[in-house]
Amino acid sequence: GENVEQHPSTLSVQEGDSAVIKCTYSDSASNYFPWYKQELGKGPQLIIDIRSNVGEKKDQRIAVTLNKTAKHFSLHITETQPEDSAVYFCAASLLRNKLVFGAGTILRVKS
Amino acid sequence: DAGITQSPRHKVTETGTPVTLRCHQTENHRYMYWYRQDPGHGLRLIHYSYGVKDTDKGEVSDGYSVSRSKTEDFLLTLESATSSQTSVYFCAISPTRGQGSTEAFFGQGTRLTVV
Repeated sequence: GENVEQHPSTLSVQEGDSAVIKCTYSDSASNYFPWYKQELGKGPQLIIDIRSNVGEKKDQRIAVTLNKTAKHFSLHITETQPEDSAVYFCAASLLRNKLVFGAGTILRVKS
Repeated sequence: DAGITQSPRHKVTETGTPVTLRCHQTENHRYMYWYRQDPGHGLRLIHYSYGVKDTDKGEVSDGYSVSRSKTEDFLLTLESATSSQTSVYFCAISPTRGQGSTEAFFGQGTRLTVV
């Protein structure tokens, strides 16, 4: 079955710097790759996603890139702010929109 | 926020007792899912539903059952709770948009403690 690996598990950056989180997946049939942000005590919130027919997508300070050949995708956050501190999860989609998640990255933005 | 309500939000139960968690949606989405979240594991799929009375197992389904008698409600039952089922449970919903996968929206979670 699908396996998603996510790195790093924790990431500390200075406010204003960029943060990059990387994920790899195993099932070449996966065609949809969302990223979720989870704040303490809340449910995961979709922040950006990318489909397999697109190589890059950007939404203000966040962007996602996908390399289908290498089976990896990455989340890029520029100009980080304290409110970006949270746990971030990548996921890959199987049939019927089932998601397989990475283990998560704790992002700390130091001001 | 997507119209998803999970109940209860917190529950403490004893080992061996049955427990039912409820997920209610107001979006009329076809797909509904139950995930559990544990440290170091991200979120793992327990069961999912692709329509009324249509359900299937996920990767960690042992000890759990589900039912969906109406589009808006998806119930997760722990038949006989064990300490290993102490976790945070999330319900998610997803629409059908032609071919290919689509976005999933999550509820606020239910924190279950089995003592």
